Amino acid sequence: RKEVEQDPGPFNVPEGATVAFNCTYSNSASQSFFWYRQDCRKEPKLLMSVYSSGNEDGRFTAQLNRASQYISLLIRDSKLSDSATYLCAVNIAGYSTLTFGKGTMLLVSP
Amino acid sequence: GAGVSQSPRYKVAKRGQDVALRCDPISGHVSLFWYQQALGQGPEFLTYFQNEAQLDKSGLPSDRFFAERPEGSVSTLKIQRTQQEDSAVYLCASSSSTSKSAEAFFGQGTRLTVV
Repeated sequence: RKEVEQDPGPFNVPEGATVAFNCTYSNSASQSFFWYRQDCRKEPKLLMSVYSSGNEDGRFTAQLNRASQYISLLIRDSKLSDSATYLCAVNIAGYSTLTFGKGTMLLVSP
Repeated sequence: GAGVSQSPRYKVAKRGQDVALRCDPISGHVSLFWYQQALGQGPEFLTYFQNEAQLDKSGLPSDRFFAERPEGSVSTLKIQRTQQEDSAVYLCASSSSTSKSAEAFFGQGTRLTVV
């Protein structure tokens, strides 16, 4: 079982829709959580960190559920420019680096 | 430039050839990471430097892979006797902090194709 799992999608949604992705992690010692966005043939870019209390940045809301060991990303009022792959990343206690999921592809259509 | 710079952007190598990939991190960033990203996969950790010290190389897939950061700034990832399974995008990331919650900034990567 991979340490960080995501539904690869693609999620096809119309403009204006609300879409949510989940990411599950297997190691309960995970401490820090992030969502990255990766456009085709580009590098990953940090979208937002995920805090225990949940956090919101404009149309994007991230939440952490430690009991069920998953994080979520909600995108409201989807834009064409939101089309990308969304990678979740987890930092596990005792490890120096981030462990990434495979990513979830989002396609927003007119 | 202000970001992480990697060169070359693209590299085609014949099987068995040695390659060297360069990463220029953001100036002053103490932490530097190398990742390998295969098509359709997320980035997979290779190795981590804190300044010039290689603190973690547990992700290097074989002894054909070697990384260095001799002066604590520029880093080089070397792959000896390349194999087809080495074909991937090699991403470098740097961070200003050793904190695990600090943001890591990625370079655009080097796309390696072994033929």
